[in-house]
Amino acid sequence: AQKITQTQPGMFVQEKEAVTLDCTYDTSDPSYGLFWYKQPSSGEMIFLIYQGSYDQQNATEGRYSLNFQKARKSANLVISASQLGDSAMYFCAMREWGGRRALTFGSGTRLQVQP
Amino acid sequence: DVKVTQSSRYLVKRTGEKVFLECVQDMDHENMFWYRQDPGLGLRLIYFSYDVKMKEKGDIPEGYSVSREKKERFSLILESASTNQTSMYLCASSTSLGPGRLELFFGSGTQLSVL
Repeated sequence: AQKITQTQPGMFVQEKEAVTLDCTYDTSDPSYGLFWYKQPSSGEMIFLIYQGSYDQQNATEGRYSLNFQKARKSANLVISASQLGDSAMYFCAMREWGGRRALTFGSGTRLQVQP
Repeated sequence: DVKVTQSSRYLVKRTGEKVFLECVQDMDHENMFWYRQDPGLGLRLIYFSYDVKMKEKGDIPEGYSVSREKKERFSLILESASTNQTSMYLCASSTSLGPGRLELFFGSGTQLSVL
């Protein structure tokens, strides 16, 4: 069963605006980690942000923040003040602490930032 | 900086050929992974290894095998390439950063075309 769901295949946002990329997950493990990666057109995978299931506060890294709603099993990525360089594929991923030592990825969202 | 090197950026093979995809990391990471990336499907785990000579099947291991004879090298083998194995292949490595947290470092990918 798919454990990570990204329902937005593509998104558009105007430069300097904020955008939210959706991610929902499914797990019965109370201990898990959630990750977001960025993949520009060059193909490299860039780690953006991490949230642990026991973290009390939402994770933030510069213009990236993770809107973690545990009861709803959602881990949305918020990008503030979008820049043209934010145009890329974005992947949500999860690792269950009691599970295998690998990340399970979602299908991705392609974000295009318009000038 | 962590470096994960995949031997080929582009590869074209014939149906039925045996194909080797090589991956080398230079940070003494214990964990190494092979994913394939397809549009609309995201990254799917083929195999991973958490130690030399150790391997575990991922979500889509059929038609693939792996080899890890040295800690820094993780090879993906397509025993008899088929057209449905045309894809982008991504290698990654990681060390464990405490319970649950894995920070994956990815190679630049190999775009394999099987004709």
